[in-house]
Amino acid sequence: AQSVTQLDSHVSVSEGTPVLLRCNYSSSYSPSLFWYVQHPNKGLQLLLKYTSAATLVKGINGFEAEFKKSETSFHLTKPSAHMSDAAEYFCVVSRGSQGNLIFGKGTKLSVKP
Amino acid sequence: DGGITQSPKYLFRKEGQNVTLSCEQNLNHDAMYWYRQDPGQGLRLIYYSQIVNDFQKGDIAEGYSVSREKKESFPLTVTSAQKNPTAFYLCASSIYRRAETQYFGPGTRLLVL
Repeated sequence: AQSVTQLDSHVSVSEGTPVLLRCNYSSSYSPSLFWYVQHPNKGLQLLLKYTSAATLVKGINGFEAEFKKSETSFHLTKPSAHMSDAAEYFCVVSRGSQGNLIFGKGTKLSVKP
Repeated sequence: DGGITQSPKYLFRKEGQNVTLSCEQNLNHDAMYWYRQDPGQGLRLIYYSQIVNDFQKGDIAEGYSVSREKKESFPLTVTSAQKNPTAFYLCASSIYRRAETQYFGPGTRLLVL
């Protein structure tokens, strides 16, 4: 069965410093993995997706994630945080042939001025 | 503009009452989904529909019902059997069998009086 674990429920960074949001996955086969972002009281927006092509995936707004099979990880990074990055981020795995998504519990990112 | 609309933004339910949440999309997507979001829980799948007049239960379907009479509409009814309905409800859609890229509506917050 597929699952994702987001290792931090809350991450706080200063503006201009790097962002690291951690995600580990469990899957019985090569997974499709995603990061979604949710700004307060809004719907979700796809940031980036990994579907077995390049292991380093670039997304919108300067975010990227690296798929590491040996570590079963898919961490989200950004070199320099912006105030507008403050939001909740979800690591997601595809549920196989049905294609439905399994969401992690989310990491809330706070950005201090 | 193409997108997903959910109404109302806030909805109040009295004890023993059924309420219906609206979800409409003009993206010409075949598949539609309903999720429930609780703080610290991520998103959990309630129901999904791959085509008109067909739908399947998700992980937490008890106390909910849906219909899919039109391609663009997928209303969710929260019945009196759902004992803890207070949550943020998100509707999403995708191209048929491409559930990895879902487009989300802005959500409806349901509160119990």
